Amino acid sequence: QQQVKQSPQSLIVQKGGISIINCAYENTAFDYFPWYQQFPGKGPALLIAIRPDVSEKKEGRFTISFNKSAKQFSLHIMDSQPGDSATYFCAAGLGGATNKLIFGTGTLLAVQP
Amino acid sequence: EAQVTQNPRYLITVTGKKLTVTCSQNMNHEYMSWYRQDPGLGLRQIYYSMNVEVTDKGDVPEGYKVSRKEKRNFPLILESPSPNQTSLYFCASSLGNYQPQHFGDGTRLSIL
Repeated sequence: QQQVKQSPQSLIVQKGGISIINCAYENTAFDYFPWYQQFPGKGPALLIAIRPDVSEKKEGRFTISFNKSAKQFSLHIMDSQPGDSATYFCAAGLGGATNKLIFGTGTLLAVQP
Repeated sequence: EAQVTQNPRYLITVTGKKLTVTCSQNMNHEYMSWYRQDPGLGLRQIYYSMNVEVTDKGDVPEGYKVSRKEKRNFPLILESPSPNQTSLYFCASSLGNYQPQHFGDGTRLSIL
């Protein structure tokens, strides 16, 4: 119930293409869905986040699509660039006093020039 | 510069030798957490703290201890490390609910 399932495990995209990473959750109490980006040797950094009261959020080339009924959300990277090559983690948060996040298992994205 | 600082960045040690990984943040955040990152498992929360002297277990707390005596510091203690604690560890801090978690650059621990 606390798991967040992320796919694919790895992804290779050509420069200029669209990268799509998917996540699914079971616990309907989750009410915060961030995506984190991690470069080698660095800690994860928040990329974009969404609350369940909206179905889509866009920031530049990055878009989160959220389907509450299906309990799924996805990250779309438009016009993918080599500099986007990183590991991406989805997460789900419960809010409340714990500020707890449950992370997916990560997707290693490689954007080929 | 706003940051979360972890030390050491790398450590190789032996089974049973107590070690401490320090974490300090300069953003006056109330929330701090420790995670471990393992291949195929993502990031799993070890312990978290909601304020000074307030800590609680995360999903994988066995074999770890923490303390929060000051708001800025949240050390992770392995009293008797074992090889299954070999991992990449991250400290994070946050202003509160629905706010970004700011991560340190990680500590890679190898326990032989």
